[in-house]
Amino acid sequence: NAGVTQTPKFQVLKTGQSMTLQCAQDMNHNSMYWYRQDPGMGLRLIYYSASEGTTDKGEVPNGYNVSRLNKREFSLRLESAAPSQTSVYFCASLLRTSGRGYNEQFFGPGTRLTVL
Amino acid sequence: AQSVTQLDSQVPVFEEAPVELRCNYSSSVSVYLFWYVQYPNQGLQLLLKYLSGSTLVKGINGFEAEFNKSQTSFHLRKPSVHISDTAEYFCAVSRVFGNEKLTFGTGTRLTIIP
Repeated sequence: NAGVTQTPKFQVLKTGQSMTLQCAQDMNHNSMYWYRQDPGMGLRLIYYSASEGTTDKGEVPNGYNVSRLNKREFSLRLESAAPSQTSVYFCASLLRTSGRGYNEQFFGPGTRLTVL
Repeated sequence: AQSVTQLDSQVPVFEEAPVELRCNYSSSVSVYLFWYVQYPNQGLQLLLKYLSGSTLVKGINGFEAEFNKSQTSFHLRKPSVHISDTAEYFCAVSRVFGNEKLTFGTGTRLTIIP
């Protein structure tokens, strides 16, 4: 049981290049998330997917697109990378239940992206 | 909407001394409260959580936190820190109903001085 995995671990891009960050989970979770972490800013939600086939914007969606390929996978795409997108990106997943109840988000190890 | 404030961005503490990391939150609805820890170059790990019941919650690695509803606080404490506690600590909240999204504070970097 690998939990949440992310690829790649590190990436350097030039301004204007595109790339896709991959995330997969093997816990049969419904919901998946993409966050970015910047110094002094904490984690900010980029996009999330409550279930296969649905995606919604989070706090900072501009410059990103996502794709929930199936229940396991949730990818984040940068179409034209900018230096402001230099950050550490975390994927997370959650088993969503109805009504009142506690659901824990599980985080991947992160992707460190530098845009020159 | 919810918000979380961690006033201390960095906290240096001598080894074996006690520590308190402060967290205040704002919300118009009932919330769950969490502390996550991030060790250098790693992802986030849940340290402890408050869902309901006793306001004093215990987590892993000897940490505990106290929920204070009147002060809207959820401060994290440890009576005696170790070098291995060096990490960044994030306070987070989620709504009790519709609780799929977490709102994080900006983090507190705890540095243990030998």
